[in-house]
Amino acid sequence: NAGVMQNPRHLVRRRGQEARLRCSPMKGHSHVYWYRQLPEEGLKFMVYLQKENIIDESGMPKERFSAEFPKEGPSILRIQQVVRGDSAAYFCASQDSGGERFFGPGTRLTVL
Amino acid sequence: LAKTTQPISMDSYEGQEVNITCSHNNIATNDYITWYQQFPSQGPRFIIQGYKTKVTNEVASLFIPADRKSSTLSLPRVSLSDTAVYYCLVGGSDTGRRALTFGSGTRLQVQP
Repeated sequence: NAGVMQNPRHLVRRRGQEARLRCSPMKGHSHVYWYRQLPEEGLKFMVYLQKENIIDESGMPKERFSAEFPKEGPSILRIQQVVRGDSAAYFCASQDSGGERFFGPGTRLTVL
Repeated sequence: LAKTTQPISMDSYEGQEVNITCSHNNIATNDYITWYQQFPSQGPRFIIQGYKTKVTNEVASLFIPADRKSSTLSLPRVSLSDTAVYYCLVGGSDTGRRALTFGSGTRLQVQP
């Protein structure tokens, strides 16, 4: 059973471009979480999704950020018109209904 | 969500026992206490979870006093590979719905 997979592992974008981060949860997991981590800081919750539904997006910036978890395929975190302050590591985690939460290796976004 | 307070950093030597204490004065009745470990450039990894008294697994022990306002992660006989950031989190028993919040964590440095 493969773990949580994220791609790309590293992503470089210029200001104003779009960034798409993908997360494939562990097999059988229907809960996906996205976190952002700035250097030397803890992880900050962004959004919690179940298949086709956003359950909690209280940590998502109101503009430019969106997330989805379609019925088929990976969860996508989309950042439009990126700015330098978006540079961070973005982690995805998956979980089944009541079990342990497993984190992926993260995507490191660098905005030039 | 209950706020947690941990020491920013700790130093130890190989072979010693390390105890990291976390304060969570506002923990709710249904909250569990979970500890994660994070190595540089990796996602957090689950270590241990408990509700009260003592929990032990193959890598650590978790001590929780009766008032549950704090908890102590105990790592027996640490090695250099235990150098990492350790996060204490509190969250509801229905962890499938809870947006676990990470604080700044404790940076443990193990010296030879």
